[in-house]
Amino acid sequence: DTGVSQDPRHKITKRGQNVTFRCDPISEHNRLYWYRQTLGQGPEFLTYFQNEAQLEKSRLLSDRFSAERPKGSFSTLEIQRTEQGDSAMYLCASSPSEGLDEKLFFGSGTQLSVL
Amino acid sequence: SQQGEEDPQALSIQEGENATMNCSYKTSINNLQWYRQNSGRGLVHLILIRSNEREKHSGRLRVTLDTSKKSSSLLITASRAADTASYFCATDRGGGYKLSFGAGTTVTVRA
Repeated sequence: DTGVSQDPRHKITKRGQNVTFRCDPISEHNRLYWYRQTLGQGPEFLTYFQNEAQLEKSRLLSDRFSAERPKGSFSTLEIQRTEQGDSAMYLCASSPSEGLDEKLFFGSGTQLSVL
Repeated sequence: SQQGEEDPQALSIQEGENATMNCSYKTSINNLQWYRQNSGRGLVHLILIRSNEREKHSGRLRVTLDTSKKSSSLLITASRAADTASYFCATDRGGGYKLSFGAGTTVTVRA
């Protein structure tokens, strides 16, 4: 069990550029989540996958954001035409989908800085 | 929007002392969870308490839940320098897939 892996750890980009982050969940976990965390705040839910199906998207996820989980394994989060307000830590988490009392296993996150 | 609110925002204690932090939330919940986050890292699950439970222990951690007051507390006993971190409560309103986190309590344990 290698844990949840996220890549890259840090990304610096210029406003208007597109960025893509990758998340590899724990292999036997069916559920995968993306959260965003800004400095001094707790994580905010962005979206959730059950296997390859994206079941819910937060209103925080504007049209510039898209997430995929092909084949129900790794996931990617793409931000198009980045804005300075997108600067945040993007956290991926997974869970085994064993029942109602789910605890999440988080990756170390991707820190995005938009200049 | 974030449902939970932690209090205090920051806490500084001496090694060996106990640390207590509180969490209040707004709507009914299925369970409440506490997570720890070291600086610049992801969150680590500490403990989960269901809505029909009042108290739970795990090692040096003690969590209470009062659903009538919509509040929870996390007690860390005999604190260590390694307990220095931010602590977040997260509520699960059902469905088990969308946790709402508070803004966290930053705990500093001085050696």
